Amino acid sequence: EPEVTQTPSHQVTQMGQEVILRCVPISNHLYFYWYRQILGQKVEFLVSFYNNEISEKSEIFDDQFSVERPDGSNFTLKIRSTKLEDSAMYFCASSGSLLQFFGPGTRLTVL
Amino acid sequence: KQEVTQIPAALSVPEGENLVLNCSFTDSAIYNLQWFRQDPGKGLTSLLLIQSSQREQTSGRLNASLDKSSGRSTLYIAASQPGDSATYLCAVPRVKNNDMRFGAGTRLTVKP
Repeated sequence: EPEVTQTPSHQVTQMGQEVILRCVPISNHLYFYWYRQILGQKVEFLVSFYNNEISEKSEIFDDQFSVERPDGSNFTLKIRSTKLEDSAMYFCASSGSLLQFFGPGTRLTVL
Repeated sequence: KQEVTQIPAALSVPEGENLVLNCSFTDSAIYNLQWFRQDPGKGLTSLLLIQSSQREQTSGRLNASLDKSSGRSTLYIAASQPGDSATYLCAVPRVKNNDMRFGAGTRLTVKP
């Protein structure tokens, strides 16, 4: 069964460093998303991506964040200069129609 | 702004019991509603999707209902098992094919 994959599963970084979180969506899906979940809190929407551009972004998704689909398979989330409050689980999702399929997440720890 | 609320926040039941998890949303103009399962430290597993035109969906021991007019959905789990222990999340998309708004979840514990 096709699934969304994410790498790495856990990333530890120093405050101020850049991180890139990677996702491989399901191959025939057209819509891609990033969400995050701070420990003990709700899953929050960050950004959606369709037709090689951002279709929607939340107030969380400021200039420190960027997304890219560098080739036909990968979908990345970059945080330019990480802050302590960026520590969270980051989920990638993709959809072909109504159902969103989520990846297993990347746990980002900023020290 | 769409707000999604889930009650109870936590639920503990003995094995074999039937149970109901509740989800409410403030804006009834939804396209669909999705129920997810999340195991500790893990990703989100989609359980059921109910489209706005549907009243319920069933998958095995799970049955989800949707009442758009009252802004409510329920997830019914029959004959609960210890393996059902997890956090159950409901989510609605803000617009079609777009960002999901999640509830905080109900943490379910099924005791053997």
